[in-house]
Amino acid sequence: DIQMTQSPSSLSASVGDRVTITCQASQDISNHLNWYQQRPGEAPKLLIYDASNLETGVPSRFSGSGSGTDFTFSISSLQPEDIATYYCQHCENLPYTFGQGTKLDI
Amino acid sequence: QVQLQESGPGLVKPSQTLSLTCTVSGGSISNGGYFWNWVRQPAGKGLEWIGRIYTGGTTNYNPSLKGRVTISVDTSKNQFSLRLTSVTAADTAVYYCARKAGRGQFDNWGQGALVTVSS
Repeated sequence: DIQMTQSPSSLSASVGDRVTITCQASQDISNHLNWYQQRPGEAPKLLIYDASNLETGVPSRFSGSGSGTDFTFSISSLQPEDIATYYCQHCENLPYTFGQGTKLDI
Repeated sequence: QVQLQESGPGLVKPSQTLSLTCTVSGGSISNGGYFWNWVRQPAGKGLEWIGRIYTGGTTNYNPSLKGRVTISVDTSKNQFSLRLTSVTAADTAVYYCARKAGRGQFDNWGQGALVTVSS
């Protein structure tokens, strides 16, 4: 199985800050990497697919980049509603696996 | 807009079988060439992909579940289902159904169903 390692595991930031989360795959996954936001008590929500494509309806302050084994997810200007846990997920092959999550608070 | 909703017992005894159904509304489960998935999340932990089904019947499962999983589809009811046998406390989790679009992103999720394994 491909292992996905996210860092940091938790992060505290202020409204308006730029926030960056990294995700590393245990092998080359090209751009087959997705990012999700999960607010407490809710289902995950797709934000970014194929490493850098913004899902329809997702604010443009969210972005993703990377290819191969190293990926980055960013929020350009943190908003209060962005408090959540963020997960990366590869879709290079089966089984799909997720990173362990990054809990973001203010 | 497609919506997914999980349903099933919230409490299952150890060694018994966990059964959940996902009802798809707002569109036909047979249209669009999607794979329909199950994902679970133990309390306070991360996400684990369980398996998927295509409406033609093709299934794929996570080997970590060691053959305990079966996913089936009923296109006449616009539903797909999960069966997990020989459950233990380690199977206690929120179970989500989700649609896979494109290469492999989950673009639609149910709200989740908490299943507790306890005697």
